[in-house]
Amino acid sequence: KNQVEQSPQSLIILEGKNCTLQCNYTVSPFSNLRWYKQDTGRGPVSLTIMTFSENTKSNGRYTATLDADTKQSSLHITASQLSDSASYICVVSPFNQAGTALIFGKGTTLSVSS
Amino acid sequence: DSGVTQTPKHLITATGQRVTLRCSPRSGDLSVYWYQQSLDQGLQFLIQYYNGEERAKGNILERFSAQQFPDLHSELNLSSLELGDSALYFCASSTGQGNTGELFFGEGSRLTVL
Repeated sequence: KNQVEQSPQSLIILEGKNCTLQCNYTVSPFSNLRWYKQDTGRGPVSLTIMTFSENTKSNGRYTATLDADTKQSSLHITASQLSDSASYICVVSPFNQAGTALIFGKGTTLSVSS
Repeated sequence: DSGVTQTPKHLITATGQRVTLRCSPRSGDLSVYWYQQSLDQGLQFLIQYYNGEERAKGNILERFSAQQFPDLHSELNLSSLELGDSALYFCASSTGQGNTGELFFGEGSRLTVL
């Protein structure tokens, strides 16, 4: 069964610190892996999209890595800010299927405190 | 601003009632997706339309229905509402119907059933 598991479920860090969020998936083959940021009560916003052949992609202070062999991805946040407090969702797209086949993780809730 | 517009933002109604949620996709996007997000749950795919035609159904209840109009806006109709239908309902749009393109989410409609 295609699944996307994220860890930790929640995380609290101090402002200015770095953190890494994990995503493990069983989807195979897959077309791309995405990370979204969702502020409380708001719609998800795309951070990165990586194809199966990419290893890393950055978007400002956000860096996503992908290891297709171990079926793991991570999202690294550098020098965290209070505005980084949100849920981060990992999404995997099965290969050659419609957009409806996107598989969403349940997200990691990050709280950045001052 | 993703360019996807959802109305209303908030809706409170009673059990047994019927509501309609509206979504205007980004200019040029032909696909519209509807998702449900219950408290502490991941995004659950409900239904997709592409250029006016239903493309795929997910975990959508028979009490729910949707359509996409010629101007590409979409409506999600929820009837015989139950307490468990209380959730955030998101609309997303994309250019194509595959799973390689970017998904743009609206801000959601928060439905509370009392």
